[in-house]
Amino acid sequence: GDSVTQMEGPVTLSEEAFLTINCTYTATGYPSLFWYVQYPGEGLQLLLKATKADDKGSNKGFEATYRKETTSFHLEKGSVQVSDSAVYFCALSGVGSSNTGKLIFGQGTTLQVKP
Amino acid sequence: DTAVSQTPKYLVTQMGNDKSIKCEQNLGHDTMYWYKQDSKKFLKIMFSYNNKELIINETVPNRFSPKSPDKAHLNLHINSLELGDSAVYFCASSPRQGRNTEAFFGQGTRLTVV
Repeated sequence: GDSVTQMEGPVTLSEEAFLTINCTYTATGYPSLFWYVQYPGEGLQLLLKATKADDKGSNKGFEATYRKETTSFHLEKGSVQVSDSAVYFCALSGVGSSNTGKLIFGQGTTLQVKP
Repeated sequence: DTAVSQTPKYLVTQMGNDKSIKCEQNLGHDTMYWYKQDSKKFLKIMFSYNNKELIINETVPNRFSPKSPDKAHLNLHINSLELGDSAVYFCASSPRQGRNTEAFFGQGTRLTVV
């Protein structure tokens, strides 16, 4: 079935380090891809999205490029801050004949940034 | 103003009880969802409504019954609670159905069944 796989966490980085969180997907058709972030004790917030191949989503210094050939949507940030500590979820939507907006999530990756 | 609000935020109850979680969105969205987040933080959709009509029911036990009295509200009623129902339940909404639309999430309801 359709699925999203993220790298295992937790990821621990020092402030100003470079961040990559890998995300790959399996889907029929051409899904839309999303990164959501969950700060402690809060709900999920959309971080960025891409709706077709080669699209790059970006927000708050984070970016990810929709790569159809490698079925990937890796999240990157050039210089992380302590305030980026959170759980990051990769997700897809719109696979096959489903146009319901239903999101299929990866397992989440916990990022901890130390000062 | 909170866009998607859920009540209660925390719910501790005994096995066998019946409980409800309420969700309201003031964004004017057509579509609402319930997601369940387990102890390992894995998120899975349970239900979705579009304009008060059920469009997704993801093999959830029939002890769980969603109700959408109007477009702005989607409540979740759970009968005969079991230990395995302990989780965080998130309500979400989006402007419309569709693959490109962003979902807006509530803060979650942490349900603990003892």
